[in-house]
Amino acid sequence: EPEVTQTPSHQVTQMGQEVILRCVPISNHLYFYWYRQILGQKVEFLVSFYNNEISEKSEIFDDQFSVERPDGSNFTLKIRSTKLEDSAMYFCASSEEGQGGDTQYFGPGTRLTVL
Amino acid sequence: EDQVTQSPEALRLQEGESSSLNCSYTVSGLRGLFWYRQDPGKGPEFLFTLYSAGEEKEKERLKATLTKKESFLHITAPKPEDSATYLCAVQAGSGGYNKLIFGAGTRLAVHP
Repeated sequence: EPEVTQTPSHQVTQMGQEVILRCVPISNHLYFYWYRQILGQKVEFLVSFYNNEISEKSEIFDDQFSVERPDGSNFTLKIRSTKLEDSAMYFCASSEEGQGGDTQYFGPGTRLTVL
Repeated sequence: EDQVTQSPEALRLQEGESSSLNCSYTVSGLRGLFWYRQDPGKGPEFLFTLYSAGEEKEKERLKATLTKKESFLHITAPKPEDSATYLCAVQAGSGGYNKLIFGAGTRLAVHP
Protein backbone atom coordinates (compact mmCIF):
# COMPACT_ATOMS: atom_id res chain seq x y z
CA GLU A 1 0.00 0.00 0.00
CA PRO A 2 1.43 3.41 -0.95
CA GLU A 3 2.47 5.60 1.94
CA VAL A 4 3.99 8.96 2.73
CA THR A 5 7.59 8.75 3.95
CA GLN A 6 9.59 11.34 5.88
CA THR A 7 13.25 11.80 6.72
CA PRO A 8 14.90 12.15 9.12
CA SER A 9 12.79 10.59 11.85
CA HIS A 10 14.53 12.76 14.44
CA GLN A 11 16.50 15.98 13.94
CA VAL A 12 18.37 17.78 16.70
CA THR A 13 19.63 21.30 15.97
CA GLN A 14 20.94 24.37 17.70
CA MET A 15 18.82 27.50 17.95
CA GLY A 16 19.41 29.76 14.95
CA GLN A 17 20.41 26.94 12.62
CA GLU A 18 18.60 26.04 9.42
CA VAL A 19 16.89 22.67 9.02
CA ILE A 20 15.32 20.93 6.07
CA LEU A 21 12.69 18.28 6.62
CA ARG A 22 12.03 15.93 3.73
CA CYS A 23 8.94 14.10 2.57
CA VAL A 24 8.07 11.78 -0.28
CA PRO A 25 4.30 12.02 -0.88
CA ILE A 26 2.22 9.23 -2.39
CA SER A 27 3.17 9.08 -6.05
CA ASN A 28 -0.12 9.97 -7.78
CA HIS A 29 -1.10 12.66 -5.28
CA LEU A 30 -1.14 16.28 -6.35
CA TYR A 31 -1.65 18.19 -3.08
CA PHE A 32 0.90 18.31 -0.31
CA TYR A 33 0.73 19.61 3.23
CA TRP A 34 2.80 20.22 6.32
CA TYR A 35 1.36 20.08 9.82
CA ARG A 36 3.03 20.23 13.19
CA GLN A 37 2.20 18.92 16.65
CA ILE A 38 3.84 20.40 19.70
CA LEU A 39 4.08 17.80 22.48
CA GLY A 40 0.71 17.36 24.16
CA GLN A 41 -1.08 19.76 21.81
CA LYS A 42 -3.33 19.58 18.75
CA VAL A 43 -2.13 18.87 15.24
CA GLU A 44 -1.88 22.28 13.52
CA PHE A 45 -1.95 23.13 9.83
CA LEU A 46 1.08 24.96 8.43
CA VAL A 47 0.83 25.05 4.65
CA SER A 48 -0.66 23.42 1.58
CA PHE A 49 1.07 23.22 -1.80
CA TYR A 50 -0.21 22.53 -5.30
CA ASN A 51 1.19 22.95 -8.76
CA ASN A 52 4.49 24.26 -7.42
CA GLU A 53 3.03 27.01 -5.34
CA ILE A 54 1.57 27.58 -1.90
CA SER A 55 -2.21 27.39 -2.00
CA GLU A 56 -2.82 28.21 1.65
CA LYS A 57 -0.79 28.94 4.76
CA SER A 58 -1.49 29.50 8.43
CA GLU A 59 -0.35 32.33 10.68
CA ILE A 60 2.35 30.01 12.03
CA PHE A 61 3.92 29.78 8.57
CA ASP A 62 5.88 33.04 8.68
CA ASP A 63 8.95 34.18 6.77
CA GLN A 64 11.25 31.71 8.50
CA PHE A 65 9.42 28.82 6.81
CA SER A 66 9.51 27.83 3.17
CA VAL A 67 8.43 24.81 1.13
CA GLU A 68 9.72 23.41 -2.10
CA ARG A 69 9.21 20.54 -4.49
CA PRO A 70 12.79 20.27 -5.78
CA ASP A 71 12.08 17.28 -8.03
CA GLY A 72 9.28 14.95 -9.02
CA SER A 73 9.15 13.05 -5.77
CA ASN A 74 10.38 15.13 -2.81
CA PHE A 75 8.59 17.85 -0.87
CA THR A 76 10.60 19.81 1.68
CA LEU A 77 9.99 22.15 4.59
CA LYS A 78 12.83 24.54 5.44
CA ILE A 79 13.05 26.43 8.69
CA ARG A 80 15.61 29.17 8.22
CA SER A 81 16.55 30.15 11.75
CA THR A 82 15.16 27.73 14.27
CA LYS A 83 13.75 28.83 17.61
CA LEU A 84 13.18 26.83 20.76
CA GLU A 85 9.43 26.97 20.14
CA ASP A 86 9.86 25.21 16.79
CA SER A 87 10.47 21.97 18.67
CA ALA A 88 7.63 19.69 17.60
CA MET A 89 6.64 16.73 15.45
CA TYR A 90 6.31 17.79 11.83
CA PHE A 91 3.99 15.75 9.64
CA CYS A 92 3.82 15.75 5.88
CA ALA A 93 0.56 14.72 4.22
CA SER A 94 -0.68 14.32 0.69
CA SER A 95 -4.04 14.01 -1.04
CA GLU A 96 -5.11 13.02 -4.49
CA GLU A 97 -7.10 16.09 -5.46
CA GLY A 98 -7.33 18.61 -2.63
CA GLN A 99 -11.04 19.11 -3.10
CA GLY A 100 -13.35 19.39 -0.15
CA GLY A 101 -13.53 16.05 1.61
CA ASP A 102 -10.45 14.65 -0.08
CA THR A 103 -8.59 12.40 2.33
CA GLN A 104 -5.15 13.47 3.48
CA TYR A 105 -2.67 10.68 4.25
CA PHE A 106 0.03 11.43 6.77
CA GLY A 107 3.63 10.37 7.07
CA PRO A 108 5.27 9.08 10.25
CA GLY A 109 6.64 12.49 11.17
CA THR A 110 9.98 14.11 11.94
CA ARG A 111 10.64 14.99 15.55
CA LEU A 112 12.51 18.31 15.60
CA THR A 113 14.35 19.21 18.78
CA VAL A 114 15.82 22.72 18.99
CA LEU A 115 18.41 23.22 21.74
CA GLU B 1 -14.21 30.66 14.03
CA ASP B 2 -14.17 26.99 13.05
CA GLN B 3 -13.75 24.72 16.07
CA VAL B 4 -13.54 21.03 16.88
CA THR B 5 -14.00 19.69 20.41
CA GLN B 6 -13.50 16.08 21.39
CA SER B 7 -14.70 14.33 24.52
CA PRO B 8 -13.80 12.68 26.73
CA GLU B 9 -10.14 13.70 26.89
CA ALA B 10 -9.23 10.19 28.06
CA LEU B 11 -11.15 6.94 28.30
CA ARG B 12 -10.23 3.71 30.01
CA LEU B 13 -12.13 0.58 29.02
CA GLN B 14 -11.97 -3.06 29.87
CA GLU B 15 -11.54 -5.41 26.94
CA GLY B 16 -14.98 -6.05 25.46
CA GLU B 17 -16.55 -2.96 27.02
CA SER B 18 -18.14 -0.94 24.20
CA SER B 19 -18.21 2.86 24.26
CA SER B 20 -18.40 6.00 22.12
CA LEU B 21 -16.12 8.95 21.51
CA ASN B 22 -17.60 12.34 20.67
CA CYS B 23 -16.49 15.04 18.25
CA SER B 24 -18.54 18.23 18.18
CA TYR B 25 -17.81 20.87 15.57
CA THR B 26 -18.69 24.44 14.71
CA VAL B 27 -17.80 25.24 11.13
CA SER B 28 -19.08 27.29 8.23
CA GLY B 29 -19.90 24.80 5.53
CA LEU B 30 -18.63 21.32 6.40
CA ARG B 31 -16.83 19.72 3.47
CA GLY B 32 -15.76 16.59 5.29
CA LEU B 33 -15.20 15.14 8.76
CA PHE B 34 -12.29 12.78 9.26
CA TRP B 35 -11.34 10.29 11.94
CA TYR B 36 -7.71 9.32 12.43
CA ARG B 37 -5.93 7.02 14.85
CA GLN B 38 -2.59 8.16 16.27
CA ASP B 39 -0.18 5.90 18.14
CA PRO B 40 2.48 7.52 20.38
CA GLY B 41 5.25 9.16 18.35
CA LYS B 42 3.57 8.28 15.03
CA GLY B 43 1.61 10.09 12.35
CA PRO B 44 -2.19 10.11 12.14
CA GLU B 45 -3.55 7.00 10.42
CA PHE B 46 -6.70 7.52 8.38
CA LEU B 47 -9.85 5.72 9.50
CA PHE B 48 -13.00 7.34 8.02
CA THR B 49 -14.35 10.26 6.04
CA LEU B 50 -17.95 11.42 6.54
CA TYR B 51 -19.56 14.03 4.33
CA SER B 52 -23.17 14.58 5.33
CA ALA B 53 -25.51 14.18 8.28
CA GLY B 54 -26.89 10.67 8.62
CA GLU B 55 -23.86 9.05 7.05
CA GLU B 56 -22.26 6.03 8.75
CA LYS B 57 -19.05 4.13 8.04
CA GLU B 58 -17.76 0.89 9.61
CA LYS B 59 -14.43 -0.85 9.84
CA GLU B 60 -13.92 -3.88 12.05
CA ARG B 61 -14.85 -2.82 15.62
CA LEU B 62 -15.22 0.87 14.72
CA LYS B 63 -18.27 2.71 13.45
CA ALA B 64 -18.40 6.44 12.73
CA THR B 65 -21.60 8.46 12.50
CA LEU B 66 -22.32 12.08 11.65
CA THR B 67 -25.01 14.59 12.58
CA LYS B 68 -25.20 18.30 11.77
CA LYS B 69 -23.26 19.21 14.90
CA GLU B 70 -21.27 16.19 15.97
CA SER B 71 -19.76 12.85 15.08
CA PHE B 72 -19.42 9.72 17.15
CA LEU B 73 -16.86 6.97 16.93
CA HIS B 74 -18.39 3.84 18.39
CA ILE B 75 -16.04 1.09 19.52
CA THR B 76 -17.65 -2.33 19.88
CA ALA B 77 -15.97 -4.97 22.04
CA PRO B 78 -12.59 -3.22 22.02
CA LYS B 79 -9.29 -5.07 22.30
CA PRO B 80 -6.02 -3.85 23.86
CA GLU B 81 -4.65 -3.18 20.36
CA ASP B 82 -7.33 -0.50 19.93
CA SER B 83 -5.49 1.60 22.52
CA ALA B 84 -4.44 4.86 20.82
CA THR B 85 -5.40 8.50 20.52
CA TYR B 86 -8.37 9.05 18.19
CA LEU B 87 -8.36 12.35 16.35
CA CYS B 88 -11.27 14.10 14.70
CA ALA B 89 -10.66 16.71 12.01
CA VAL B 90 -12.86 18.82 9.75
CA GLN B 91 -12.48 20.53 6.43
CA ALA B 92 -14.62 23.66 6.27
CA GLY B 93 -15.88 25.78 3.45
CA SER B 94 -14.74 29.03 5.03
CA GLY B 95 -11.22 30.02 6.03
CA GLY B 96 -9.48 27.37 4.00
CA TYR B 97 -10.10 25.07 1.13
CA ASN B 98 -8.03 22.04 2.09
CA LYS B 99 -6.67 22.49 5.57
CA LEU B 100 -7.75 20.12 8.31
CA ILE B 101 -8.76 21.55 11.68
CA PHE B 102 -8.06 18.98 14.37
CA GLY B 103 -9.55 18.38 17.79
CA ALA B 104 -7.31 17.60 20.75
CA GLY B 105 -8.12 13.89 20.54
CA THR B 106 -9.39 11.20 22.90
CA ARG B 107 -6.75 8.94 24.48
CA LEU B 108 -8.22 5.46 24.66
CA ALA B 109 -6.72 2.75 26.86
CA VAL B 110 -8.18 -0.76 26.64
CA HIS B 111 -7.12 -3.13 29.40
CA PRO B 112 -7.30 -6.92 29.25
